Amino acid sequence: AQSVTQPDIHITVSEGASLELRCNYSYGATPYLFWYVQSPGQGLQLLLKYFSGDTLVQGIKGFEAEFKRSQSSFNLRKPSVHWSDAAEYFCAVDKRGSTLGRLYFGRGTQLTVWP
Amino acid sequence: DAGVIQSPRHEVTEMGQEVTLRCKPISGHDYLFWYRQTMMRGLELLIYFNNNVPIDDSGMPEDRFSAKMPNASFSTLKIQPSEPRDSAVYFCASSLQGNPPLHFGNGTRLTVT
Repeated sequence: AQSVTQPDIHITVSEGASLELRCNYSYGATPYLFWYVQSPGQGLQLLLKYFSGDTLVQGIKGFEAEFKRSQSSFNLRKPSVHWSDAAEYFCAVDKRGSTLGRLYFGRGTQLTVWP
Repeated sequence: DAGVIQSPRHEVTEMGQEVTLRCKPISGHDYLFWYRQTMMRGLELLIYFNNNVPIDDSGMPEDRFSAKMPNASFSTLKIQPSEPRDSAVYFCASSLQGNPPLHFGNGTRLTVT
């Protein structure tokens, strides 16, 4: 069974429009949660992370994400998308405890930005 | 901080050849992970090390794959013999004391013809 679900394989938005990328996970306890971004030919760069506390977390490049325990979701948002945001975005979870830093990734969402 | 360094960035080889991918983790990090990224399977963990010792290699697809970490600053992932289905991007990542987040290298794109 897939542990991390990103239901949108590809999203296209216009520059300046708002963005929301969805992520759901399926663990009994609250894991550590992450969003990574991958530009073409590059590695994965951490955008933001949630460990505990405030459920709205701020990241780099103007991104934020909200953890909703009741929905097992950790959706990524940005109020105004820039052309340079075009990339692939990955949601990931760390189940904590014995898995120590091992990440489980969603399949990714490819973001295209129209000028 | 130089980040996680992987080499080579690109590797093209013929089926049956041996391939060695290399990784230098961030200095001081004691956990090292090898991931593989393909269109079919996404990002999947192959193996990870703690203090140079392999902890979980259940993701290694077959005996053709092997990984070593002879010291805290170097790891290799070897495929022998390589097959076209091994074509993928291989990422190395490291972390400190198993604490998130993982820091990723830029990957090695392997093409086996």
